[in-house]
Amino acid sequence: AQTVTQSQPEMSVQEAETVTLSCTYDTSENNYYLFWYKQPPSRQMILVIRQEAYKQQNATENRFSVNFQKAAKSFSLKISDSQLGDTAMYFCAFMILTGNQFYFGTGTSLTVIP
Amino acid sequence: NAGVTQTPKFQVLKTGQSMTLQCAQDMNHEYMSWYRQDPGMGLRLIHYSVGAGITDQGEVPNGYNVSRSTTEDFPLRLLSAAPSQTSVYFCASSSQGGIAEAFFGQGTRLTVV
Repeated sequence: AQTVTQSQPEMSVQEAETVTLSCTYDTSENNYYLFWYKQPPSRQMILVIRQEAYKQQNATENRFSVNFQKAAKSFSLKISDSQLGDTAMYFCAFMILTGNQFYFGTGTSLTVIP
Repeated sequence: NAGVTQTPKFQVLKTGQSMTLQCAQDMNHEYMSWYRQDPGMGLRLIHYSVGAGITDQGEVPNGYNVSRSTTEDFPLRLLSAAPSQTSVYFCASSSQGGIAEAFFGQGTRLTVV
C-alpha cells in the first residue's frame, strides 16, 4: 500500500520570506514520481513541481524547490520569496508508473501574510 | 486547449437517486482516473483506467461504477447516491509516456441530501 503523510495541516509565512512544507511517503515501489500540487480557492489543481525517484538531484522550478531524501522517504517543498498568490492548499502526491495512479497527502493550507 | 472537461460543476442529489459525472479529455491520454476530495482527507482514488475497455478499482470504489468505451471519455456513475458520497470529485488524465503529469478537470461539487 502507498501512503503519503503531510503533518502540517496549516502554515503561514510573511510575504517575501521562505517556508518549507513537509511530506513523507511509504511505498514498496522502485519506480515512481513525486509531485507537489497547489489548489487555490478556485479548486483547480495546479502542478508546482515534480521529482523523478531515480534522480538524485533535487528539482527546482523558479521560487520552488524540493529536498528529496529517497532513503528517508521524505519530499519537502521550499517556497522562497513567498508571494500573496502562493496562498493555497498544497498537496504532496506520489505516482506509481504502472497505471499512473496518484496517492495524495491530506494537504497543507498555506497562508502568505502581507 | 480544452484539456480535461468535467460536467456538471455542481449537483445536488436526493438519497437514492442515480447520476453520471462526465469526464472528457482531448489530449489522447491513455490513463484516466477519478478522485474524491473530502475535508482533511486529501484526494482519494476511486477508479482508474489504463486504456479503452480497461478499468480497475482504487482506494474507495464502493458505490461507484465506471466504464471506458473510448479513449476520450471516462464517466463515473453513482447508482444509488448516499449522503456519504457528498464530496468534490476530480477527473484526471495522464500520458503513458513522456513527462509524468496529471491534468485535472475543474471538479464537481456533489451534495447528497
